[in-house]
Amino acid sequence: EVQLVESGGGLVQPGGSLRLSCAASGFTFSSYAMSWVRQAPGKGLEWVSAISGSGGSTYYADSVKGRFTISRDNSKNTLYLQMNSLRAEDTAVYYCAKGRQQLVFRDAFDIWGQGTMVTVSS
Amino acid sequence: DIQMTQSPSSLSASVGDRVTITCRASQGISNYLAWYQQKPGKVPKLLIYAASTLQSGVPSRFSGSGSGTDFTLTISSLQPEDVATYYCQKYNSAPQTFGQGTRLEIK
Repeated sequence: EVQLVESGGGLVQPGGSLRLSCAASGFTFSSYAMSWVRQAPGKGLEWVSAISGSGGSTYYADSVKGRFTISRDNSKNTLYLQMNSLRAEDTAVYYCAKGRQQLVFRDAFDIWGQGTMVTVSS
Repeated sequence: DIQMTQSPSSLSASVGDRVTITCRASQGISNYLAWYQQKPGKVPKLLIYAASTLQSGVPSRFSGSGSGTDFTLTISSLQPEDVATYYCQKYNSAPQTFGQGTRLEIK
C-alpha cells in the first residue's frame, strides 16, 4: 500500500525552528517528485515547496523562500521540511504529497499524508 | 505568478442536481490543471488531472473540461457524499498554486 506518514509537528515560539519528516512506503520513492502543502485553520490549501526525485531541483512559495528548506533522503525513503524563523502565519496542518507519475515534475498529487499540525505561538 | 480564481466560493444544491464549478488562470496553463476534493476533517483527494482525466476510482459523475485559462468541474448528479470543498490547482510550473476553494453543500 502506498503511504505517506508525516511527523515532527508541534508548538513552537515565533522565530523558532522545526523539522518535519514524511516517511514514504509502497512505491519507488526516488522516482517521484514530492511536495509540501499546508492548510491554515479554516483556510484553503497553500502549496509550500517541491523537490524532484533526485533532490537536485527544489522550488518554494514566496511566503517561505529563504526560511524553509525542502530535502529528501532517498536511502531512507523520507522527505523533510526544515522550517526556520517561524511566524504566526505559518500555523497550519502540513501535508506531504506525491507526484502522480514517475520521473515527472509537473504533475498532480495523487497521494497525501494525513498531515502534521504546526502551531507558532508564544 | 499565475493566479487561480474559483467561482463560486460556495454553493448549495439539491441531490440529483448538475453542479458546475469554474476555475480561471490568470495566464494560460495548457491542460496542467487538477481538481481535488476535501471532505470535512479529511485529507484532499485527487479527482481529475490533466484538466479532464478522471483519477482511478473516482465516480464517473465527476468530469472536467477546459484548456488554457478556463476550466470547469462538473458533477452530473449531486450525491450526499459529495459535500466537500473543491480546489483546482495548476501544475505547469512552480508555484503550483491552488484556487481558493469552492464549498459545496446540500440544499
